Amino acid sequence: DIVMTQSPDSLAVSLGERATINCKSSQSVLYSSNNKNYLAWYQQKPGQPPKLLIYWASTRESGVPDRFSGSGSGTDFTLTISSLQAEDVAVYYCQQYYSTSGLTFGGGTKVEIK
Amino acid sequence: EVQLVESGGGLVQPGGSLKLSCAASGFTFSGSAMHWVRQASGKGLEWVGRIRSKANSYATAYAASVKGRFTISRDDSKNTAYLQMNSLKTEDTAVYYCTRHGGGSWYWGQGTLVTVSS
Repeated sequence: DIVMTQSPDSLAVSLGERATINCKSSQSVLYSSNNKNYLAWYQQKPGQPPKLLIYWASTRESGVPDRFSGSGSGTDFTLTISSLQAEDVAVYYCQQYYSTSGLTFGGGTKVEIK
Repeated sequence: EVQLVESGGGLVQPGGSLKLSCAASGFTFSGSAMHWVRQASGKGLEWVGRIRSKANSYATAYAASVKGRFTISRDDSKNTAYLQMNSLKTEDTAVYYCTRHGGGSWYWGQGTLVTVSS
């Protein structure tokens, strides 16, 4: 199984400041035949299902504010919130969908306002 | 618009059974693999299993934690996927989501709560 490791576990950032979340996979999730990284990022607020923010590691889902961006390739990925807003307080998860054995998720990063 | 609607959750005793449904609309259900993911209260997301399309022989795969107890099936004529849960344990208590991958995006339902308790 591909293990997804997120860091940090929690993060407190001032309004308007940058938040950076890291995700590392135990093996590459880059599919060589199409050069796509099978990596997604989600935001989850209490009582709600996960909301897709980013797929293919860096493609922003329709309707997601452009302050959210994803980067990285292979085994190391980053979700950046360029200017934290109050409504961004949530738990963020990375997910790999490369493995035919199944999906795996990072442990989550809780983002709060400092 | 893609919609996934889970149902069938509830309270069940340890050792009992429950069958969840995921009703789909807004896409070609028969051509899509369907996944189940669960989340215990205050915990992270855990993949439960998936079923592929008829073209991929309805192949299933399961997490080790549920293998042999849970079975995923589908009825393409009803655009519905199912999760049959047997020999339930207290640690199976969670919100269960169905999800699918299409056009790059991932789509999720709102989830259904399963509580395993005596």
